[in-house]
Amino acid sequence: EAQVTQNPRYLITVTGKKLTVTCSQNMNHEYMSWYRQDPGLGLRQIYYSMNVEVTDKGDVPEGYKVSRKEKRNFPLILESPSPNQTSLYFCASSLAADYGYTFGSGTRLTVV
Amino acid sequence: GQQLNQSPQSMFIQEGEDVSMNCTSSSIFNTWLWYKQDPGEGPVLLIALYKAGELTSNGRLTAQFGITRKDSFLNISASIPSDVGIYFCAGRSNRDDKIIFGKGTRLHILP
Repeated sequence: EAQVTQNPRYLITVTGKKLTVTCSQNMNHEYMSWYRQDPGLGLRQIYYSMNVEVTDKGDVPEGYKVSRKEKRNFPLILESPSPNQTSLYFCASSLAADYGYTFGSGTRLTVV
Repeated sequence: GQQLNQSPQSMFIQEGEDVSMNCTSSSIFNTWLWYKQDPGEGPVLLIALYKAGELTSNGRLTAQFGITRKDSFLNISASIPSDVGIYFCAGRSNRDDKIIFGKGTRLHILP
């Protein structure tokens, strides 16, 4: 089944403790992206990647890092999480920038 | 940064009614996308539009790429209970490769 898999689905952590949210797609998509969803703010892009070893900042990249060492994986790294990063995070992939995304099921992160 | 203005923010309608929502941008867009998000899930693509003036249907859903390339519309005909959810517009401008999203329209259907 074609899908984007994110892990974990739920995570509660403490301020300052480094964490990684994994994202993997099995559709051989070039384009991958991370979004965060907050009430009243919709979906805001954190980082995106157009291909292996190519990443670019979205609209809200501060406090996040990503890497794209291989085509299928696009992990999101929070080096020192803070409470304002409490949010619902989505990974997404597509064939190219213009094509519709396939989204993962989301990761609900709480930083206390 | 660029923004998409999506309206209305929420809608309360009776089952069987038609629904209209729209999205506008201050800049020209090359691509318009419409998504639906069910509770606890990621958004799912409904319709993709690539040409100014294009009108595309997916079952009871119809979306249009505005002639000015700065707006798009989504219509749902004869709404049913499973249409409940959040509808997002998204687009890519002619400036870069980012896909940006509107803030969503939350659709409620009254029994």
